[in-house]
Amino acid sequence: KNEVEQSPQNLTAQEGEFITINCSYSVGISALHWLQQHPGGGIVSLFMLSSGKKKHGRLIATINIQEKHSSLHITASHPRDSAVYICAVRDRGSTLGRLYFGRGTQLTVWP
Amino acid sequence: NAGVTQTPKFQVLKTGQSMTLQCAQDMNHEYMSWYRQDPGMGLRLIHYSVGAGITDQGEVPNGYNVSRSTTEDFPLRLLSAAPSQTSVYFCASGTSGRYEQYFGPGTRLTVT
Repeated sequence: KNEVEQSPQNLTAQEGEFITINCSYSVGISALHWLQQHPGGGIVSLFMLSSGKKKHGRLIATINIQEKHSSLHITASHPRDSAVYICAVRDRGSTLGRLYFGRGTQLTVWP
Repeated sequence: NAGVTQTPKFQVLKTGQSMTLQCAQDMNHEYMSWYRQDPGMGLRLIHYSVGAGITDQGEVPNGYNVSRSTTEDFPLRLLSAAPSQTSVYFCASGTSGRYEQYFGPGTRLTVT
């Protein structure tokens, strides 16, 4: 059983398209993270949110605590957005809020 | 700031060998952790530490040891490497008050 489910697993888009990646979770959380992992492996944090919506450039993250669901949107996608996007939730019930990770969504954007 | 550094970047071991993966951070973070990443699976927590001298097990601790003698360093020791430990290992750090975590660049380990 995975506490965090992401969909889709793989996503291919044409440059300029609007992208949505979904994340559902089953535990009570104190925060949700969206991470980006580029080929070559480095992981960077894109967003951390506990309610509502955050925007950074062409990226928007939303969360619905009642429905235990979050989405990551990319507007006007570009080939440099090609990466694995990982959703992680911080368990409210565990010591220091342990992180549970989704399996990731592989996004490929073609020019 | 260098952030979170890991060495080595790549390592090949034979079954039964031991080694230590190094992790260091220069942000004075209390919280440090080790994860492994395997194909088709999410990152899984191996061990974590909430401060110097304090460590605890995560989800997949078997075959690994850790210690935290300083705030900066959190080495991961493989006692007797097995092919099942072939994986990419990430170290991360953060503060206990903030939820954000900073990841190292990873170590790709192959055990033959």
